[in-house]
This record gives sequence, structure tokens and C-alpha cells, in this order.
Amino acid sequence: QKEVEQDPGPLSVPEGAIVSLNCTYSNSAFQYFMWYRQYSRKGPELLMYTYSSGNKEDGRFTAQVDKSSKYISLFIRDSQPSDSATYLCAMSAANQAGTALIFGKGTTLSVSS
Amino acid sequence: NAGVTQTPKFQVLKTGQSMTLQCAQDMNHNSMYWYRQDPGMGLRLIYYSASEGTTDKGEVPNGYNVSRLNKREFSLRLESAAPSQTSVYFCASSEVQGAGIWTEAFFGQGTRLTVV
Repeated sequence: QKEVEQDPGPLSVPEGAIVSLNCTYSNSAFQYFMWYRQYSRKGPELLMYTYSSGNKEDGRFTAQVDKSSKYISLFIRDSQPSDSATYLCAMSAANQAGTALIFGKGTTLSVSS
Repeated sequence: NAGVTQTPKFQVLKTGQSMTLQCAQDMNHNSMYWYRQDPGMGLRLIYYSASEGTTDKGEVPNGYNVSRLNKREFSLRLESAAPSQTSVYFCASSEVQGAGIWTEAFFGQGTRLTVV
């Protein structure tokens, strides 16, 4: 079992839809949870991050972390064609200096106008 | 501000050839990483360097070597390229992760490598 599991999709939705992206993980040492967005032929860029459990909102994006279930989510409201990209969840542990980011496989999202 | 710069952007190698992928960052970060990205596999960590002078293996280190030349530069070497190493390679940098510290990791634009 990989440390981080993410459904690769692809996921296709119409403009204005609510999108839910999810990851599960097995390493209880993970404390930092991130979502990266990657446009075609580009490097990933940080979209949101959350420390430990809880919710975080930034405009149309909401990140949720449930450490008891080892489950994280990213919600996109009023999705736009410009949101079409691959979304990667990433995690790192807080108890070891120099721990690298561990990524999920990424979910490819297509929003049609 | 260039961020993370990778060279070359594209490369085609023949099986058995060697090459070095270069990465440099101008953000004074301590930690640097090499990932490979394959269809349906996400980003997999090859090697990382938590600080200048240290390197550690990641999930898929076989067939690769790394050198942390100085604080700015972290290179990835393929000694004898194989078709299985056809991939997109990303370099990233951040401040030290873990031990109660988190900072954003910045990625380069990637190197598209094909081994024939």
C-alpha cells in the first residue's frame, strides 16, 4: 500500500459545478497537508496547505483534513474552465527535520464551458 | 526572480548513455528534491537533500545518483540510461520540512527525458 492514495480520475464537470477531490493516507506522522495544482507541461504550484486537522478556505477553494480517518479533501466551488488541471495532494511529517513531500498520483480535472 | 531552474528542458538519450540533469535555485533554500512523474504514477521522490552536504534516497533511487554541489545546486545523474527512465523529472526546493516547520516547495518546469 502506498503511503498516499489518490484517485487519478479523469474527472469531467460542467462550468459552475462543485468539485470534490480526495486523498487517503496511511502514515499517522503526517501533519502538513497540501494541494498542488499542475497545468499541462508545467511544474506543480502550491494551491493550499493545512496543518493538522481542520478546514481552510481560500476563495472558491476549501481544504479539509480529517486525521482520525486519515482523509483529506479539496472542494472547488463554482468551477471554471481555468480550473482544468491536475490536482496533487501532498503530505509531510512534522517530527523529522528534512522530511520530503510525499505526493498522491494526482487527479486530472476538466471543466467544460 | 527565477525560482528553480532546470536544464535541459528536453533530452533524448540512447540506452546506456549517461547524462546529468542540472537544477539551481535562487531562494536560499536549504532543502532540494528530485522527483520523477510518470502517467498515472504521480510524483515519486528519487533523492532529496535536506541541507548542503547531505543526501538521502527517496522512493525510487535505483539507477540514479545525486550531488549537492552547493546550497544553490542539486544535480541528478543517470550513469547508464534505460528506457524505464523515460519520464518527466522535476526539481524542487524548500526550507527544511518537518520538526514543526513547514514551508512551500517550489518546483522547476521539468526536464522531459526520453530514452530510446
